[in-house]
Amino acid sequence: SQKIEQNSEALNIQEGKTATLTCNYTNYSPAYLQWYRQDPGRGPVFLLLIRENEKEKRKERLKVTFDTTLKQSLFHITASQPADSATYLCALDAQGSARQLTFGSGTQLTVLP
Amino acid sequence: KAGVTQTPRYLIKTRGQQVTLSCSPISGHRSVSWYQQTPGQGLQFLFEYFSETQRNKGNFPGRFSGRQFSNSRSEMNVSTLELGDSALYLCASSLSNPGSHRAMNTEAFFGQGTRLTVV
Repeated sequence: SQKIEQNSEALNIQEGKTATLTCNYTNYSPAYLQWYRQDPGRGPVFLLLIRENEKEKRKERLKVTFDTTLKQSLFHITASQPADSATYLCALDAQGSARQLTFGSGTQLTVLP
Repeated sequence: KAGVTQTPRYLIKTRGQQVTLSCSPISGHRSVSWYQQTPGQGLQFLFEYFSETQRNKGNFPGRFSGRQFSNSRSEMNVSTLELGDSALYLCASSLSNPGSHRAMNTEAFFGQGTRLTVV
């Protein structure tokens, strides 16, 4: 059966360091992989999208990699700040349409001052 | 441009009752998807509507239903509520449509959700 795993439920890092979050999937051939940020009591907010023919995508302090051979995506936040503290969700989109996303369980990131 | 609006924000219902949640997508978005989020199961896809037709459905019982109106607004209904239906219900809209395979605009815009508590 299809499975998506984010390997850490929680991750604590020191301010200024790079946070690296992992998303692994099995029995799935995604067209796209997306990363969202979710704050308590609020809906997820889109951060980055990477297509299956792309290896890496960057946006300001964020970087996403996508390895379809390893079936893994890595999400990096460089120069992390306490304001980056949130839950980060990866989502697979087999149709490439964002109309039916399959989400991982999320990683709760805490950036310590 | 206004974002995705969900009403109500909070709701308390009794077991056995039914509930209707509402979602207004971003203007111009015709696809509306619904998700259930619980601490145990995470974010799970319920169903998706486009042009008043259900296009995709997740693995939820028939007690969960929805509809979409001609102005793209959507409602979801849960009948015969159970304690396990307590969750954050999220609605998302996107510019994608069934004919645009691998469309360029593929991000989903989420509302703030409706927190449903069943007692």
